[in-house]
Amino acid sequence: QVQLVQSGPEVKKPGASVKVSCKASGYTFTNYYIHWVRQAPGQGLEWMGIINPSGGSTTYAQKFQGRVTMTRDTSTSTVYMELSSLRSEDTAVYYCARVASIVGGDYWGQGTLVTVSS
Amino acid sequence: DIQLTQSPSFLSASVRDRVTITCRASQDISSYLAWYQQKPGKAPKLLIYAASTLQSGVPSRFSGSGSGTEFTLTISSLQPEDFATYYCQQLNSFPYTFGQGTKLEIK
Repeated sequence: QVQLVQSGPEVKKPGASVKVSCKASGYTFTNYYIHWVRQAPGQGLEWMGIINPSGGSTTYAQKFQGRVTMTRDTSTSTVYMELSSLRSEDTAVYYCARVASIVGGDYWGQGTLVTVSS
Repeated sequence: DIQLTQSPSFLSASVRDRVTITCRASQDISSYLAWYQQKPGKAPKLLIYAASTLQSGVPSRFSGSGSGTEFTLTISSLQPEDFATYYCQQLNSFPYTFGQGTKLEIK
């Protein structure tokens, strides 16, 4: 069965970076894009960007340009999202989701809580 | 960026009620719209894609309609497990923006 398993919670200080992983299984990794979405406490969903695991191409939301990097490792079917220069407003649950063309996110990871606090 | 505006933001309803949530796009997105349900502490769940196609395994009481700039999600007969927050998302162009959400509460 399709699964996306994310890495565990993180606590970071302002100015630091965080790297969240998302390991895919149960399907052909390179056939589906992965997008990253975050949700601040009590807030809505915010789209961060998308990666094509086949070639590694990425598209990021303008808001995160220069601070976010999405990569993939095809040997382990894992995608990574690194966010740098963290500030308190980056405290959120970060989700990865498999995207099938115009379908949207049909399978989601369990979420990773990133807390930014001094 | 394409803005999505959901209405209402909060909705109070009873079991067996019929409810409709609207999502308006700031520009034409054809039928590239998905609807999600999210419960507290859980990841979103895909309900509808391509504006009106029911995702596999989703109960038939959920339906979607619309194209262009106006879309609706309808739940024909609310069940206790349907009380949650609902989001629309456009997949027409990057960034793939979400609506602000509609919280559906028990009356």
